[in-house]
Amino acid sequence: EPEVTQTPSHQVTQMGQEVILRCVPISNHLYFYWYRQILGQKVEFLVSFYNNEISEKSEIFDDQFSVERPDGSNFTLKIRSTKLEDSAMYFCASSEGTSYNEQFFGPGTRLTVL
Amino acid sequence: AQKVTQAQTEISVVEKEDVTLDCVYETRDTTYYLFWYKQPPSGELAFLIRRNSFDEQNEISGRYSWNFQKSTSSFNFTITASQVVDSAVYFCALSGQGGSEKLVFGKGTKLTVNP
Repeated sequence: EPEVTQTPSHQVTQMGQEVILRCVPISNHLYFYWYRQILGQKVEFLVSFYNNEISEKSEIFDDQFSVERPDGSNFTLKIRSTKLEDSAMYFCASSEGTSYNEQFFGPGTRLTVL
Repeated sequence: AQKVTQAQTEISVVEKEDVTLDCVYETRDTTYYLFWYKQPPSGELAFLIRRNSFDEQNEISGRYSWNFQKSTSSFNFTITASQVVDSAVYFCALSGQGGSEKLVFGKGTKLTVNP
């Protein structure tokens, strides 16, 4: 069964460093998403991406964040200068394209900022 | 604005008990979609069910059942004869009618099923 994959599973970085989280969505899906979950809290939407551009972004997704689909398979989230409060689990998701289609989530990348 | 409320933060039951997880939502959209996801201790998010706003039929899948009531803006989830493997955090989520609509999640209910 096709699945969303994410690498790395755990990333530890120093405050102020740049990190890139990688995701490979399901191959025939058209919409891609990043969510984050601070430990013990709810899952929060960051950004959605379609047709090589951002469709929607939340207030959390400020200038420190960027997304890219550098090739036909990868979907990346970059945080330019990490802060302590960026420590969270980051989930990538993809869907075929309509609200009726569920979003399939990857296993997540746990980001720890020291 | 869309909002999902899961008032139960934590529930603890003994195996074989039935348990209902509550979900109340708010939206101004006339067409919307409701979801339940399961997050076991390993951390991944597993899709359980999707419902659209025009389909108020209740659904049963094995030991799981869902009760959607538009009149009370609720989409409750019942596990019958709970098992230890059901222990997880369960999230209710809502999306609007657009093709790329984000999911708005509730805060989740942590279910612990004790042997």
